[in-house]
Amino acid sequence: QVQLQESGPGLVKPSQTLSLTCTVSGGSITSNSYYWSWIRQPAGKGLEWIGRVSSRGTVDYNPSLKSRVTISTDTSTGQFSLKLSSVTATDTAVYYCAREGYSLLGAVGSYFDYWGQGALVTVSS
Amino acid sequence: SYELTQAPSVSVSPGQTASISCSGDNLGDRYTSWYQQKPGQSPILVIYKDSKRPSAIPDRFSGSNSGTTATLTISATQAMDEADYYCQAWDSSTVVFGGGTKLTVL
Repeated sequence: QVQLQESGPGLVKPSQTLSLTCTVSGGSITSNSYYWSWIRQPAGKGLEWIGRVSSRGTVDYNPSLKSRVTISTDTSTGQFSLKLSSVTATDTAVYYCAREGYSLLGAVGSYFDYWGQGALVTVSS
Repeated sequence: SYELTQAPSVSVSPGQTASISCSGDNLGDRYTSWYQQKPGQSPILVIYKDSKRPSAIPDRFSGSNSGTTATLTISATQAMDEADYYCQAWDSSTVVFGGGTKLTVL
């Protein structure tokens, strides 16, 4: 059973950098069959995809966040991480890490089959 | 940018069939996935690749996708199905979520 667990500070000051780590267990982060994604959800609002990293380290980001986001992997520890710079109160949200299966043959698409429990990050001074 | 549109809310009586729609340009040309989220919990995948169900999901849940609309259908709806439901698709190597539909079972 694949499990994902987010960790990191729950409080970040405005203009600073939000940093979170996702630890993957029960599955290999080096698998070529999956991507590893970050998704966030402000209180009472919908889901917003932040970006992903592949086992090879290639990344894709949400265009609306691209200038502030860095996602990377550490295959030696089975972890992947998120850094979001220059945060403001609008970045306050529950941040989820998730495993993303994908299909690139015929119809393209992806799906998130395993999710972490979520980490609440509040941006406040 | 690509957008997926969902109705904010849908109501259904217990035992009846609920249909939740998701619309987007040429949505039928790409795979759609659906997630169920209950308050305070992480989302759960209920449908992927338009109509496939993960093994733990009851067969009351089904999906379809054609043209510009994907539909999640819940037959014999139960009180436990009350939740927010999100559709999700891929656009130019990025991921887009619909705004979510709150399903009320009453």
